[in-house]
Amino acid sequence: DGGITQSPKYLFRKEGQNVTLSCEQNLNHDAMYWYRQDPGQGLRLIYYSQIVNDFQKGDIAEGYSVSREKKESFPLTVTSAQKNPTAFYLCASSMALAGGPRNEQFFGPGTRLTVL
Amino acid sequence: SQQGEEDPQALSIQEGENATMNCSYKTSINNLQWYRQNSGRGLVHLILIRSNEREKHSGRLRVTLDTSKKSSSLLITASRAADTASYFCATRAGNMLTFGGGTRLMVKP
Repeated sequence: DGGITQSPKYLFRKEGQNVTLSCEQNLNHDAMYWYRQDPGQGLRLIYYSQIVNDFQKGDIAEGYSVSREKKESFPLTVTSAQKNPTAFYLCASSMALAGGPRNEQFFGPGTRLTVL
Repeated sequence: SQQGEEDPQALSIQEGENATMNCSYKTSINNLQWYRQNSGRGLVHLILIRSNEREKHSGRLRVTLDTSKKSSSLLITASRAADTASYFCATRAGNMLTFGGGTRLMVKP
């Protein structure tokens, strides 16, 4: 059963804590992405990675960190430096970052993070 | 800032009617994609139209692209209650996709 998974589905964080959101894909995709979605809004890009051991900042990377040690995994850490972390976080993957007309992204089910 | 902006922000129709959503963008693009999101879920890719295409169909979906006006429209024909969701356009310029704010569609049975 191929796809992209995220865990946990719901996450609660106390102020000052770092939390890590998991994203795993078995689609053999090279590129992976993290987006943040606020209520009633579109998606904003946090970080992306086009290959193992490489990642780039998106539009709103401050207060977040990522790693890409394996092709299948792209965890996102929300650090205490992120002042307003309550949001819905979506992970996605695609065959490649660039090239060709097919650059559709496949999304995970999302993680809802709430700061207490 | 968002590249694509959907219009209207919200749309409510009766089952069986057609739903039209529009997307405007600012810069040149390689392609434009439409995605659907059910409440509290991830996005699902619906259709992709390349910058050199003007119209594309997929089942009950029809997408048009006017690069001179930097706009696209998504038409859902014979809507069903199950079409209730948010719909996002995403534009590809270079390596990245940029998403708009979405149109929330409600189809009443």
